[in-house]
Amino acid sequence: SAVISQKPSRDICQRGTSLTIQCQVDSQVTMMFWYRQQPGQSLTLIATANQGSEATYESGFVIDKFPISRPNLTFSTLTVSNMSPEDSSIYLCSVVTENSYEQYFGPGTRLTVT
Amino acid sequence: SQQGEEDPQALSIQEGENATMNCSYKTSINNLQWYRQNSGRGLVHLILIRSNEREKHSGRLRVTLDTSKKSSSLLITASRAADTASYFCATAPFTGGGNKLTFGTGTQLKVEL
Repeated sequence: SAVISQKPSRDICQRGTSLTIQCQVDSQVTMMFWYRQQPGQSLTLIATANQGSEATYESGFVIDKFPISRPNLTFSTLTVSNMSPEDSSIYLCSVVTENSYEQYFGPGTRLTVT
Repeated sequence: SQQGEEDPQALSIQEGENATMNCSYKTSINNLQWYRQNSGRGLVHLILIRSNEREKHSGRLRVTLDTSKKSSSLLITASRAADTASYFCATAPFTGGGNKLTFGTGTQLKVEL
Protein backbone atom coordinates (compact mmCIF):
# COMPACT_ATOMS: atom_id res chain seq x y z
CA SER A 1 0.00 0.00 0.00
CA ALA A 2 0.98 3.67 -0.13
CA VAL A 3 0.09 6.76 1.87
CA ILE A 4 -0.39 9.87 -0.20
CA SER A 5 -0.74 13.47 0.88
CA GLN A 6 -1.78 16.45 -1.19
CA LYS A 7 -1.34 20.15 -0.64
CA PRO A 8 -3.36 22.30 -0.51
CA SER A 9 -6.49 20.44 0.53
CA ARG A 10 -8.61 23.23 -0.90
CA ASP A 11 -8.24 26.69 -2.36
CA ILE A 12 -10.32 29.49 -3.79
CA CYS A 13 -8.58 31.28 -6.65
CA GLN A 14 -9.34 34.13 -9.00
CA ARG A 15 -9.67 33.56 -12.70
CA GLY A 16 -6.50 34.08 -14.67
CA THR A 17 -4.22 32.92 -11.87
CA SER A 18 -2.41 29.59 -11.48
CA LEU A 19 -2.32 27.04 -8.67
CA THR A 20 0.26 24.34 -8.07
CA ILE A 21 -0.87 21.18 -6.31
CA GLN A 22 1.65 18.94 -4.60
CA CYS A 23 1.47 15.17 -4.23
CA GLN A 24 3.78 13.35 -1.82
CA VAL A 25 4.02 9.57 -1.44
CA ASP A 26 5.54 7.75 1.52
CA SER A 27 7.42 5.28 -0.69
CA GLN A 28 9.03 5.20 -4.11
CA VAL A 29 6.57 4.44 -6.87
CA THR A 30 7.01 4.15 -10.58
CA MET A 31 3.63 5.31 -11.78
CA MET A 32 1.78 8.42 -10.65
CA PHE A 33 -1.40 9.80 -12.16
CA TRP A 34 -3.37 13.02 -11.97
CA TYR A 35 -7.16 13.02 -12.23
CA ARG A 36 -9.84 15.69 -12.34
CA GLN A 37 -13.30 15.23 -10.86
CA GLN A 38 -15.72 17.95 -11.85
CA PRO A 39 -18.67 18.64 -9.52
CA GLY A 40 -20.97 15.65 -9.33
CA GLN A 41 -19.00 13.80 -11.98
CA SER A 42 -16.70 10.82 -12.21
CA LEU A 43 -12.92 10.92 -12.45
CA THR A 44 -11.13 11.78 -15.67
CA LEU A 45 -7.45 11.03 -16.14
CA ILE A 46 -5.43 14.14 -16.95
CA ALA A 47 -1.97 12.66 -17.36
CA THR A 48 0.58 10.12 -16.26
CA ALA A 49 3.50 11.75 -14.43
CA ASN A 50 6.74 10.14 -15.59
CA GLN A 51 9.89 10.47 -13.52
CA GLY A 52 12.67 12.10 -15.46
CA SER A 53 10.63 12.81 -18.57
CA GLU A 54 7.61 14.75 -19.73
CA ALA A 55 4.18 13.72 -18.56
CA THR A 56 1.91 11.80 -20.91
CA TYR A 57 -1.35 13.67 -21.40
CA GLU A 58 -4.76 12.27 -22.21
CA SER A 59 -6.91 13.56 -25.02
CA GLY A 60 -8.32 16.96 -24.17
CA PHE A 61 -5.54 17.93 -21.77
CA VAL A 62 -2.43 19.89 -22.75
CA ILE A 63 0.86 20.69 -21.09
CA ASP A 64 0.43 24.45 -21.33
CA LYS A 65 -2.74 24.28 -19.25
CA PHE A 66 -1.69 21.50 -16.86
CA PRO A 67 2.11 21.42 -16.54
CA ILE A 68 3.32 18.51 -14.42
CA SER A 69 6.63 17.93 -12.73
CA ARG A 70 7.98 14.64 -11.37
CA PRO A 71 11.44 15.32 -9.95
CA ASN A 72 11.73 11.99 -8.12
CA LEU A 73 9.87 8.77 -7.32
CA THR A 74 7.96 10.15 -4.34
CA PHE A 75 6.79 13.60 -5.46
CA SER A 76 4.86 15.30 -8.23
CA THR A 77 3.16 18.62 -8.86
CA LEU A 78 0.27 19.61 -11.09
CA THR A 79 -0.23 23.24 -12.01
CA VAL A 80 -3.60 24.50 -13.19
CA SER A 81 -2.73 27.54 -15.31
CA ASN A 82 -4.72 30.59 -16.32
CA MET A 83 -7.71 29.31 -14.41
CA SER A 84 -11.33 29.84 -15.33
CA PRO A 85 -14.47 28.85 -13.38
CA GLU A 86 -14.66 25.69 -15.52
CA ASP A 87 -11.50 24.49 -13.78
CA SER A 88 -13.36 24.26 -10.49
CA SER A 89 -12.94 20.60 -9.60
CA ILE A 90 -11.35 18.17 -7.24
CA TYR A 91 -7.86 17.22 -8.41
CA LEU A 92 -6.52 13.88 -7.24
CA CYS A 93 -3.20 12.17 -7.59
CA SER A 94 -2.83 8.42 -7.44
CA VAL A 95 -0.04 5.88 -7.52
CA VAL A 96 0.43 2.26 -8.44
CA THR A 97 2.85 0.17 -6.43
CA GLU A 98 5.12 -2.47 -7.92
CA ASN A 99 3.48 -5.62 -9.24
CA SER A 100 0.01 -4.29 -8.62
CA TYR A 101 -2.88 -2.84 -10.56
CA GLU A 102 -4.52 -1.25 -7.53
CA GLN A 103 -4.34 2.52 -7.36
CA TYR A 104 -3.95 4.47 -4.13
CA PHE A 105 -5.41 7.95 -4.13
CA GLY A 106 -4.53 11.12 -2.32
CA PRO A 107 -7.28 12.97 -0.42
CA GLY A 108 -7.75 15.42 -3.28
CA THR A 109 -7.49 19.18 -3.71
CA ARG A 110 -10.80 20.99 -3.98
CA LEU A 111 -10.35 24.00 -6.24
CA THR A 112 -12.89 26.76 -6.68
CA VAL A 113 -12.25 29.44 -9.28
CA THR A 114 -14.18 32.67 -8.99
CA SER B 1 -14.69 8.77 -24.06
CA GLN B 2 -14.76 5.15 -23.07
CA GLN B 3 -16.27 5.82 -19.70
CA GLY B 4 -18.43 3.05 -18.38
CA GLU B 5 -21.96 3.37 -17.23
CA GLU B 6 -23.18 2.50 -13.78
CA ASP B 7 -26.66 1.96 -12.56
CA PRO B 8 -28.46 2.94 -10.62
CA GLN B 9 -27.13 6.49 -10.37
CA ALA B 10 -28.49 6.66 -6.84
CA LEU B 11 -29.63 4.00 -4.40
CA SER B 12 -31.25 4.43 -1.00
CA ILE B 13 -31.70 1.44 1.30
CA GLN B 14 -32.24 0.63 4.95
CA GLU B 15 -29.44 -0.58 7.17
CA GLY B 16 -29.15 -4.35 7.03
CA GLU B 17 -30.38 -4.62 3.44
CA ASN B 18 -28.21 -5.61 0.52
CA ALA B 19 -27.09 -3.10 -2.11
CA THR B 20 -26.35 -4.04 -5.70
CA MET B 21 -24.65 -1.78 -8.21
CA ASN B 22 -24.01 -2.56 -11.85
CA CYS B 23 -21.29 -1.42 -14.21
CA SER B 24 -21.07 -1.75 -17.98
CA TYR B 25 -18.02 -1.00 -20.08
CA LYS B 26 -17.11 -0.88 -23.73
CA THR B 27 -13.69 -2.36 -24.46
CA SER B 28 -11.69 -5.48 -23.63
CA ILE B 29 -10.17 -5.29 -20.18
CA ASN B 30 -7.30 -6.67 -18.16
CA ASN B 31 -9.13 -6.14 -14.90
CA LEU B 32 -12.01 -4.25 -13.34
CA GLN B 33 -11.82 -2.51 -9.99
CA TRP B 34 -14.31 -1.00 -7.59
CA TYR B 35 -13.61 2.10 -5.52
CA ARG B 36 -15.49 3.98 -2.81
CA GLN B 37 -15.47 7.74 -2.33
CA ASN B 38 -16.80 9.44 0.77
CA SER B 39 -18.09 13.00 0.40
CA GLY B 40 -15.81 14.13 -2.43
CA ARG B 41 -12.64 12.91 -0.79
CA GLY B 42 -9.99 10.54 -2.08
CA LEU B 43 -10.96 7.15 -3.41
CA VAL B 44 -10.46 3.90 -1.53
CA HIS B 45 -9.77 0.70 -3.44
CA LEU B 46 -12.28 -2.03 -2.59
CA ILE B 47 -11.68 -5.01 -4.83
CA LEU B 48 -10.09 -6.04 -8.12
CA ILE B 49 -11.33 -8.78 -10.40
CA ARG B 50 -9.26 -10.01 -13.32
CA SER B 51 -10.72 -10.67 -16.74
CA ASN B 52 -10.37 -14.44 -16.31
CA GLU B 53 -12.28 -14.41 -13.02
CA ARG B 54 -16.05 -14.56 -12.69
CA GLU B 55 -16.62 -13.87 -9.02
CA LYS B 56 -14.66 -12.54 -6.10
CA HIS B 57 -15.41 -11.97 -2.43
CA SER B 58 -13.96 -9.65 0.17
CA GLY B 59 -15.73 -9.45 3.52
CA ARG B 60 -19.25 -8.15 2.83
CA LEU B 61 -18.42 -7.43 -0.79
CA ARG B 62 -19.12 -9.71 -3.72
CA VAL B 63 -18.12 -8.79 -7.24
CA THR B 64 -19.08 -10.59 -10.41
CA LEU B 65 -17.73 -10.10 -13.89
CA ASP B 66 -19.28 -11.15 -17.19
CA THR B 67 -16.84 -10.33 -19.96
CA SER B 68 -19.23 -11.57 -22.67
CA LYS B 69 -21.71 -8.90 -21.60
CA LYS B 70 -19.00 -6.41 -20.60
CA SER B 71 -20.61 -5.93 -17.24
CA SER B 72 -19.86 -6.25 -13.55
CA SER B 73 -21.86 -6.01 -10.36
CA LEU B 74 -20.93 -5.09 -6.81
CA LEU B 75 -23.02 -6.51 -3.99
CA ILE B 76 -22.71 -5.14 -0.47
CA THR B 77 -24.42 -7.41 2.02
CA ALA B 78 -25.86 -6.38 5.37
CA SER B 79 -25.27 -2.71 4.64
CA ARG B 80 -24.35 -0.22 7.35
CA ALA B 81 -24.76 3.54 7.60
CA ALA B 82 -20.98 3.80 7.19
CA ASP B 83 -21.34 2.32 3.69
CA THR B 84 -22.96 5.57 2.57
CA ALA B 85 -20.67 6.79 -0.22
CA SER B 86 -20.23 6.95 -3.98
CA TYR B 87 -19.06 3.76 -5.63
CA PHE B 88 -17.16 3.71 -8.91
CA CYS B 89 -16.10 0.91 -11.18
CA ALA B 90 -12.89 1.37 -13.14
CA THR B 91 -11.47 -0.68 -15.97
CA ALA B 92 -7.86 -1.27 -16.97
CA PRO B 93 -7.32 -1.87 -20.71
CA PHE B 94 -6.39 -5.27 -22.06
CA THR B 95 -3.52 -3.99 -24.16
CA GLY B 96 -1.18 -1.11 -23.47
CA GLY B 97 -1.47 1.38 -20.60
CA GLY B 98 -2.34 -1.42 -18.24
CA ASN B 99 -2.49 0.86 -15.23
CA LYS B 100 -4.55 3.63 -16.83
CA LEU B 101 -8.02 3.40 -15.38
CA THR B 102 -11.26 4.49 -16.99
CA PHE B 103 -13.88 5.24 -14.38
CA GLY B 104 -17.60 4.67 -14.58
CA THR B 105 -20.20 7.29 -13.82
CA GLY B 106 -20.67 6.14 -10.23
CA THR B 107 -23.51 5.11 -7.94
CA GLN B 108 -24.42 7.19 -4.90
CA LEU B 109 -25.43 4.85 -2.11
CA LYS B 110 -27.28 6.08 0.95
CA VAL B 111 -27.85 3.68 3.81
CA GLU B 112 -30.43 4.90 6.27
CA LEU B 113 -30.80 3.86 9.87
